[in-house]
Amino acid sequence: AQSVSQHNHHVILSEAASLELGCNYSYGGTVNLFWYVQYPGQHLQLLLKYFSGDPLVKGIKGFEAEFIKSKFSFNLRKPSVQWSDTAEYFCAVKDRRGSGGGADGLTFGKGTHLIIQP
Amino acid sequence: GAGVSQSPSNKVTEKGKDVELRCDPISGHTALYWYRQSLGQGLEFLIYFQGNSAPDKSGLPSDRFSAERTGGSVSTLTIQRTQQEDSAVYLCASSFQETQYFGPGTRLLVL
Repeated sequence: AQSVSQHNHHVILSEAASLELGCNYSYGGTVNLFWYVQYPGQHLQLLLKYFSGDPLVKGIKGFEAEFIKSKFSFNLRKPSVQWSDTAEYFCAVKDRRGSGGGADGLTFGKGTHLIIQP
Repeated sequence: GAGVSQSPSNKVTEKGKDVELRCDPISGHTALYWYRQSLGQGLEFLIYFQGNSAPDKSGLPSDRFSAERTGGSVSTLTIQRTQQEDSAVYLCASSFQETQYFGPGTRLLVL
């Protein structure tokens, strides 16, 4: 079964610091990759996604992520964080084979709780 | 346009009672997913619908859990004889072009 690892469970940064959140997945086949964000009191929102093509993808609010196939990684980055980036961040992977055994759903990492101090 | 909606937003029930959770997907989205978010387990996939059929039920934790979808739109997740370990946030998502969009969830507390 697919698994997703987010290495940092809690991250505390000051405003204007650079951010990188790690995400690694286990499956070696073709996957779709996602980062979702959950702001306090709100529901999960899509930040960005990668299906194919340029491995550097840009999302909303200045976030970007880089897919490195050889490392099974999809790390999230932002050059300069803001207080409003305080949230829970989830990496998710979907096996593009689909077809049962849980492969039709997203497999999520445990999440990273990001706190930005003003 | 309107996003995925779920009802109720909160549900408190007694152990052993049945509960029914509802999901209204984004209009035109043919695929629908249920997930469970709990402190200990994170976000877990439960079931997937394509139209009205559920080709993948492998994530349902026990036979007390069932789900249906009618008219290719609204879906209900039913938990029979609820247990305290069923307490969690139940999330619904609908999908367009392989991207899932999530609703606000139903927070279930089983006393």
